[in-house]
Amino acid sequence: QVQLVESGGGVVQPGRSLRLSCAASGFIFSSYTMHWVRQAPGKGLEWVALISYDGNNKYYADSVKGRFIISRDNSKNINTLYLQMNSLRVEDTAVYYCAKEGQQLAHGGDWFDPWGQGTLVTVSS
Amino acid sequence: SYVLTQPPSVSVAPGQTARITCGGNNIGSKSVHWYQQKPGQAPVVVVYDDSDRPSGIPERFSGSNSGNTATLTITRVEAGDEADYYCQVWDSSSDHVVFGGGTKLTVL
Repeated sequence: QVQLVESGGGVVQPGRSLRLSCAASGFIFSSYTMHWVRQAPGKGLEWVALISYDGNNKYYADSVKGRFIISRDNSKNINTLYLQMNSLRVEDTAVYYCAKEGQQLAHGGDWFDPWGQGTLVTVSS
Repeated sequence: SYVLTQPPSVSVAPGQTARITCGGNNIGSKSVHWYQQKPGQAPVVVVYDDSDRPSGIPERFSGSNSGNTATLTITRVEAGDEADYYCQVWDSSSDHVVFGGGTKLTVL
């Protein structure tokens, strides 16, 4: 059974950093491009970043470029996606979801299936 | 940057057909994916690649895409279909994923 479990959310002051993790299981993690998507309270979905299956390609939304870093560990016993969030702003407050692309070895154009349950990040002084 | 436009809300009576549109410049040349999100839950894909349906999604859900508009159609709407629906594409010119603003489906 494919499963994605996010962790690392919490309350943080503006300007500080936070690292989110997404533990993957039930599929060949190293064969799938992965994404982070966020949703501010009461708002719609906003794509944040993607990392290709091999880690060689990374793309970011303009709103987080230069502040957030996506990475992954494809080691057999790790299989984890990360999002390092630096210089956090109040407007970064959201539920952050990790999501797997629908097909192996795809690169950005696929659908997301499944999504994790999300982890809440609150940026507040 | 590429923009997807959805109506904020659509209302339909039980048993009727709901159509949710997603507008974008020449969207017919892109693959469109649709998600259903119920309150407090993560999104779930209901249609991918314009018109394909994942296993476990009822045949009542279908999609089409042509010109400047993609459409998610839900026939024989049930109370359990009440949710937010989002369209999504890949913008190859910017290497960005783009979501529509979302449509709240209300079952009267």
